[in-house]
Amino acid sequence: QSVLTQPPSASGTPGQRVTISCSGSTSNIGSNIVNWYQQLPGTAPKLLIYGNDQRPSGVPDRFSGSRSGTSASLAISGLQSEDEADYYCAIWDDSLGVFGGGTKLTVL
Amino acid sequence: EVQLVQSGAEVKKPGESLKISCQVSAYTFTSYWIGWVRQMPGKGLECMGIIYPGDSDTRYSPSFQGQVTISADKSISTAYLQWDSLKASDTAMYYCARHRITGSARYFDHWGQGTLVTVSS
Repeated sequence: QSVLTQPPSASGTPGQRVTISCSGSTSNIGSNIVNWYQQLPGTAPKLLIYGNDQRPSGVPDRFSGSRSGTSASLAISGLQSEDEADYYCAIWDDSLGVFGGGTKLTVL
Repeated sequence: EVQLVQSGAEVKKPGESLKISCQVSAYTFTSYWIGWVRQMPGKGLECMGIIYPGDSDTRYSPSFQGQVTISADKSISTAYLQWDSLKASDTAMYYCARHRITGSARYFDHWGQGTLVTVSS
């Protein structure tokens, strides 16, 4: 059981906007920077958002991240079928990475 | 292009030892921490530990301390994850990933393709 809580599943239709939440506490999200990873089926995770809201080069601007208080969110606008994947929030705490439990996003 | 290339899938019996590898290229191996991440079948990601190849400083997650050993060989730009005595519960996909720091942000920016370890009698 991770200290970062994500909903196990989320869904949306093509073109829709979907948000995935990541909740924690003052000792984790409240005092650390949040990153997000995307794991497409059968592949290695990929960095999607770092530094709460920064996109690495090559990540479409349909993906955005935010953090407020003890929660963070990943928003995906203009949902596409290829966005169907597992999404993980993560922080770096006390020299080690901590991942949320992951959210499986289904594109209906 | 930064690459982390992991060794191939392994099938082992309980009690056997194992060492898997992660060879990097296109960046200075000794300047970045490298981490190992476990993903058990159908489950999420767990950070096992990290190593700084420059001086072999190693940190382990409490859940993995004493269960595995992380090491690195600077001469061949390769990080390792090893077990002395495997258990069936070690069956998982294992990823190595490069750790990067940008300002206050710390994250894994490049990942290996994963090594599947199966432990079964």
